Amino acid sequence: DTGVSQDPRHKITKRGQNVTFRCDPISEHNRLYWYRQTLGQGPEFLTYFQNEAQLEKSRLLSDRFSAERPKGSFSTLEIQRTEQGDSAMYLCASSSSGTVTYEQYFGPGTRLTVT
Amino acid sequence: EDKVVQSPLSLVVHEGDTVTLNCSYEVTNFRSLLWYKQEKKAPTFLFMLTSSGIEKKSGRLSSILDKKELFSILNITATQTGDSAVYLCAWMNYGGSQGNLIFGKGTKLSVKP
Repeated sequence: DTGVSQDPRHKITKRGQNVTFRCDPISEHNRLYWYRQTLGQGPEFLTYFQNEAQLEKSRLLSDRFSAERPKGSFSTLEIQRTEQGDSAMYLCASSSSGTVTYEQYFGPGTRLTVT
Repeated sequence: EDKVVQSPLSLVVHEGDTVTLNCSYEVTNFRSLLWYKQEKKAPTFLFMLTSSGIEKKSGRLSSILDKKELFSILNITATQTGDSAVYLCAWMNYGGSQGNLIFGKGTKLSVKP
């Protein structure tokens, strides 16, 4: 399968614990995006990488959230001291870059439940 | 504030019907508008529209963009139960950032046999 993959697919954690999610983009894509989706809403942008550089962060990304893409390939999203409001589907997407516009392809998501 | 509004929020039809889903946007730095289909998993890419008045078509699905009136429509003809999903439209921001998507809330389509 050459699509975007995410791990784990589901995560249940207790409030106050730290969690880390992983995203592997389509291999030839140099842009990687993280989104969060809650029930009944469209995905909301969190942050974006071009290669290993994190170029933009949404104001939704509080200090408890951190994302990395150390070698410009896979990315991790860590949430520290989780809160119940962090319960959501965390989606990763990737795309090519260049002078034209490229569509984003999404992974299957990680569903986080904070109890 | 930039926003994307979809209507209707939900729709129930019978197999064979034709449906039209609407997406209006009020955004700065418009670059592209994208349509995705979301079943109980991640959004699946359908279309990307950049130029006004040019229809994109894939099988029974088609979409068109009107940049003057700031809206797009997604048409599905001869609907099937497998078309049941949430259809999301998103504006691609190409201003100061590099292509993050701003999504509407989606239209939930239910196709009854």
